[in-house]
Amino acid sequence: QQQVKQSPQSLIVQKGGISIINCAYENTAFDYFPWYQQFPGKGPALLIAIRPDVSEKKEGRFTISFNKSAKQFSLHIMDSQPGDSATYFCAASISWRDDKIIFGKGTRLHILP
Amino acid sequence: DAGVIQSPRHEVTEMGQEVTLRCKPISGHDYLFWYRQTMMRGLELLIYFNNNVPIDDSGMPEDRFSAKMPNASFSTLKIQPSEPRDSAVYFCASKTSGIHEQYFGPGTRLTVT
Repeated sequence: QQQVKQSPQSLIVQKGGISIINCAYENTAFDYFPWYQQFPGKGPALLIAIRPDVSEKKEGRFTISFNKSAKQFSLHIMDSQPGDSATYFCAASISWRDDKIIFGKGTRLHILP
Repeated sequence: DAGVIQSPRHEVTEMGQEVTLRCKPISGHDYLFWYRQTMMRGLELLIYFNNNVPIDDSGMPEDRFSAKMPNASFSTLKIQPSEPRDSAVYFCASKTSGIHEQYFGPGTRLTVT
């Protein structure tokens, strides 16, 4: 019940296309859902985050869509660029109870130039 | 600020040897996390500290792993004895109370032969 399931494991998208990464969770106590971006040889870094009281959050070309009833959330990257090639992790936490984050297994995204 | 600092960046050791990984969190951060990243298991939380006190070590794989935080600016993760299955990238991250974002270091790539 503590897991966050992420798909796909890897994704190849043409430059200018839309990249979509999906995540699902079981624990309804989760109340904070961040996405982290990791470039090769670097540590992950926070990209964007959402709370379940909103259905969508947009920051530039990055959008999180959240479906509370389905217990699913997704990351959309519009107009994908080669510089977006990285590994993306969805995650979840019970922010009021503790400070640890449960990460999905990651999606390796490659944008073709 | 220099960010989270980890050393060494790469470590190659033989099975049975003791390995010590080091981390200096961002100054002023009162939480420190140790993660392990592998292709198979993704990003796993091993242990985290708050104000130098271990809060949750449920992710530590076995007694061969130990972590300490003797002061607010230094933490170690020790593996003794090391085994080939411990080969992974180990990340340290830190954050401050009330803020969910974790700041990751560049990682230590450990290879046990």
